[in-house]
Formats: sequence, structure tokens, C-alpha cells
Amino acid sequence: QVQLVQSGADVKKPGASVKVSCTASGYTFSSYPISWVRQAPGQGLEWMGWTSAWRADTKYAQNFQGRVTMTTDTSTNTAYMELRSLRSDDTAVYYCARLRSSGWYGDYWGQGTLVTVSS
Amino acid sequence: QSALTQPASVSGSPGQSITISCTGTSSDVGGYNYVSWYQQHPGKAPKLMIFDVSDRPSGVSNRFSGSKSANTASLTISGLQAEDEADYYCSSYTTSSTYVVFGGGTKLTVL
Repeated sequence: QVQLVQSGADVKKPGASVKVSCTASGYTFSSYPISWVRQAPGQGLEWMGWTSAWRADTKYAQNFQGRVTMTTDTSTNTAYMELRSLRSDDTAVYYCARLRSSGWYGDYWGQGTLVTVSS
Repeated sequence: QSALTQPASVSGSPGQSITISCTGTSSDVGGYNYVSWYQQHPGKAPKLMIFDVSDRPSGVSNRFSGSKSANTASLTISGLQAEDEADYYCSSYTTSSTYVVFGGGTKLTVL
């Protein structure tokens, strides 16, 4: 069965960077892009972007351009999302999801990773 | 402010039907049949309920259905059950630089 397992919760100081991992199993990892979505406490979902090992392509939402890097490691079936210059309003649960680019939806999601930014 | 507009809350009694709307523009909802809907219970990851406007993934109850008219998509849940109480988010492909936009979410309360 398809599974996406994310790294554990993390606490960072303002200005630092965080790197969240997402390890896939149950399907051919390189055949599907991975998207990243975040959710601030009590708020809605926010699209961050996607990365594709197969297409060797990555696209970021404008809100995160210059501050985020999404990568994949096909040897470990793992996707990574690094967010830099963290601010307090980056405190959120970060989700990875397998992206079906035929319809631009996430069909399987990771369990989420809480990133807390606090001095 | 979210790109897609959803009502903040809806409610219904067990057995009833409810509809959640999702309004966008011709650059997203109205321009493409790439609307999806997600269910999210507290503390849990979103779960895909509808994709491509009206298709259901395997395993999702046929009580959930989707439709679209012009710039507004809708999710209808028939035969409401207590377990349907959750937040629901719509999503659409968009020609803007974000590629995908979400609605602000709708809290469904089963009375």
C-alpha cells in the first residue's frame, strides 16, 4: 500500500532553516511528483510547490520563491523540503503528498510534520 | 485571503444532504476540470474525497459527489453521518504562478 512517512516535529529559532523529509513506499517513487502543503495553526491549507524526480523539474509557489528548496533522492525514495530564513508565521504543520499531475491533486498524504519557529 | 471562496461553516442532521460551494474564477475553477475536495478531521492529514470535479477515489463512499457550474464547484454529501463531521477544502489548478489554490475550508457540523 502507498505510504508517505514524514520526519518528526522540529523547533527552530527565527532566521534558521528547517529540512523536512518524506519517505515513500508502495509505489514507484520516481513516477509521481511530490507536492508540499502547509497548514498554520487553526488555518487552512497553503500550497507550497512540487518536485518531480522523473521530470527533473521543480515548481514553487510565488509566496515561497527564493526561500524554499524541494529535492528528491531516488536511492532512498525520499523527498525533502527545506525552508530558510524562518519567521514565526512559518509555524505550521507541513505535509507532503503524492501529486497526480493529470489533475493536480494529492492522492496520498504524509502524516504531517509540525515545525515551530520560536525564539 | 484564500483564492477560492468557501462558506466558513455548514451543518445538517443525520440522514440529510448538504452542499458546500467553492467559488473561483475563469483562471482556476471555471477554466479547468481540475477541482478536488479534501476531508480533514482534527489532527489528521487531509484525505482526498473527489478529484477532476466529480470522480471518487476507490474506497470513498458514493454519498460524496462533486459538480461544477461556471466558476463554482460544489461538494454534496448525502445521508449525513456523524463521521462526516470534519473540515472540507476545495482545490483547483490555476494559471497563476502558484499552480494550485485551496479554498479557505468549510467546517461541517452534524447536528
